[in-house]
Amino acid sequence: DVKVTQSSRYLVKRTGEKVFLECVQDMDHENMFWYRQDPGLGLRLIYFSYDVKMKEKGDIPEGYSVSREKKERFSLILESASTNQTSMYLCASSLGVLDTQYFGPGTRLTVL
Amino acid sequence: DQQVKQNSPSLSVQEGRISILNCDYTNSMFDYFLWYKKYPAEGPTFLISISSIKDKNEDGRFTVFLNKSAKHLSLHIVPSQPGDSAVYFCAARPFQGAQKLVFGQGTRLTINP
Repeated sequence: DVKVTQSSRYLVKRTGEKVFLECVQDMDHENMFWYRQDPGLGLRLIYFSYDVKMKEKGDIPEGYSVSREKKERFSLILESASTNQTSMYLCASSLGVLDTQYFGPGTRLTVL
Repeated sequence: DQQVKQNSPSLSVQEGRISILNCDYTNSMFDYFLWYKKYPAEGPTFLISISSIKDKNEDGRFTVFLNKSAKHLSLHIVPSQPGDSAVYFCAARPFQGAQKLVFGQGTRLTINP
């Protein structure tokens, strides 16, 4: 079974803090994704990566950056957290372009 | 600009009856559609998909229908079971070869015993 793990299930941070969300997949998948889920808006793509050190902006990249130094790990970085970044963050991975995306359990981030 | 829309935020169905979840899209370039199911405190899991060259795909109790002319997708669950209570997201791929998916807002399905 594919396993996608996220470093924290719940996180509380203060405005202006730098926040790191980590995601690890154990199936040698090429593609990795970061989404945020908000009520009434569904899942929106923040960034994705199709290879180590490669990244592409999704639909809402503002205020976020990412890092993929190793194939299995994809990090989402909030340089200076703001209250409007309070959300559920979901990481996903897929083997290839046409393949199913597998999701992690999510990190609920609250920014005070 | 929501390219994939699920206009019903919630749906309540009696156990054993049919559940029908709907999804509309605006981009005629979408070529592949998926449904994901999400339980609370878990990530979404893939349920069923359909290519734009088909109009129906069936997997056990789950059937997805695609009406390209109406730009409409639906998921039928028959018979509905209590374990089907979850949030369902439809998603679409913008064009062949695209890695990204565009998701709808989700519909919360509740199956009543």
